[in-house]
Amino acid sequence: GQSLEQPSEVTAVEGAIVQINCTYQTSGFYGLSWYQQHDGGAPTFLSYNALDGLEETGRFSSFLSRSDSYGYLLLQELQMKDSASYFCAPSGSARQLTFGSGTQLTVLP
Amino acid sequence: EAGVTQFPSHSVIEKGQTVTLRCDPISGHDNLYWYRRVMGKEIKFLLHFVKESKQDESGMPNNRFLAERTGGTYSTLKVQPAELEDSGVYFCASSQGTTEQFFGPGTRLTVL
Repeated sequence: GQSLEQPSEVTAVEGAIVQINCTYQTSGFYGLSWYQQHDGGAPTFLSYNALDGLEETGRFSSFLSRSDSYGYLLLQELQMKDSASYFCAPSGSARQLTFGSGTQLTVLP
Repeated sequence: EAGVTQFPSHSVIEKGQTVTLRCDPISGHDNLYWYRRVMGKEIKFLLHFVKESKQDESGMPNNRFLAERTGGTYSTLKVQPAELEDSGVYFCASSQGTTEQFFGPGTRLTVL
């Protein structure tokens, strides 16, 4: 079957670094995406890993280990506007995304 | 460049009625996806178009849902007849490549 696990909530202060872990179990895995969603609005693409290793995009980095079915999103220099829900979303052969419950990140001043 | 647009933004209908949702993808994007989030649940994949062809409709809940993408441009998702459990937010997304999907703002459907 399919499963997806990430923490439900994370709290950090401005300027800090936070890591959101994700473990997944899915058939026909192609890659792992990360999306941000503010207040139930449109999910916004952050990062994608198809191969093992680290992808860096500005303040955000994402890591994937295919052998461990594990990935994480690293957010550096946290800002208040980073308060949102973050979803890891494995994609299958047709590139459809599988979303879990997400991680609610709260950034405190 | 215009993003993905969806119409209407909100729809309130009674059980048994028909509703049609529309999605206009980013121009030139061959891939178009429909997802939905029903109350308290995760966002779930419904179906995937490549141009005008249905690539994968494994997520469609039942035959009350009909999606079309005539001419490979905009897409419609019709729910007929609507049931209470169809209430939720319906998202459309488009992509050209195989990584980043651009999501629209969603249509909030309420079935009374």
